[in-house]
Amino acid sequence: DQQVKQNSPSLSVQEGRISILNCDYTNSMFDYFLWYKKYPAEGPTFLISISSIKDKNEDGRFTVFLNKSAKHLSLHIVPSQPGDSAVYFCAASQSLFSGGYNKLIFGAGTRLAVHP
Amino acid sequence: NAGVTQTPKFRVLKTGQSMTLLCAQDMNHEYMYWYRQDPGMGLRLIHYSVGEGTTAKGEVPDGYNVSRLKKQNFLLGLESAAPSQTSVYFCASSRPGQGTNEKLFFGSGTQLSVL
Repeated sequence: DQQVKQNSPSLSVQEGRISILNCDYTNSMFDYFLWYKKYPAEGPTFLISISSIKDKNEDGRFTVFLNKSAKHLSLHIVPSQPGDSAVYFCAASQSLFSGGYNKLIFGAGTRLAVHP
Repeated sequence: NAGVTQTPKFRVLKTGQSMTLLCAQDMNHEYMYWYRQDPGMGLRLIHYSVGEGTTAKGEVPDGYNVSRLKKQNFLLGLESAAPSQTSVYFCASSRPGQGTNEKLFFGSGTQLSVL
């Protein structure tokens, strides 16, 4: 049973337009969410995160929105650039105790292609 | 800045063979992890370690063993490889703490094929 779902395996966007990547989760106890970006033949790299006490976090062209009631988060990239073409993984964790290990659950990923 | 280094990058095994994947990090991170990535499955945690000398099972530990004899190294072993273990393996590390241990630093991966 996938607790973190990325229902769109791929997304194609024109350069300069907005890219919106979506992620749904089922575990209401998740309280921290992240997006990772992965280029071919490289490991994933951390992109942006959001705590459940917020509904929006922005970092340059990247904004993550969290809708707790819908158990949904999205990553907006504005404007999209060809260098953003990559696989994007959504991940979620539940804080079990302060300072301890909080297991990450990853979605299956969405492949974004930004074309000129 | 080396970060997280994995060796080898590619390997082909025959069913029943054994091998060890090596992971080294130079960021003095307490936590280390081994993930596998399969098409349509995302990243799944195999084993992890919260400190030197300690290891724990993740979501898919069967068929794998790990050791963390030194803080900077985390080894993943396959005692008797099976075709189902064909995958891309990623090592990662992080610092402890809420909001920090989730920010993983990944190696570049090992493509393993078991024939």
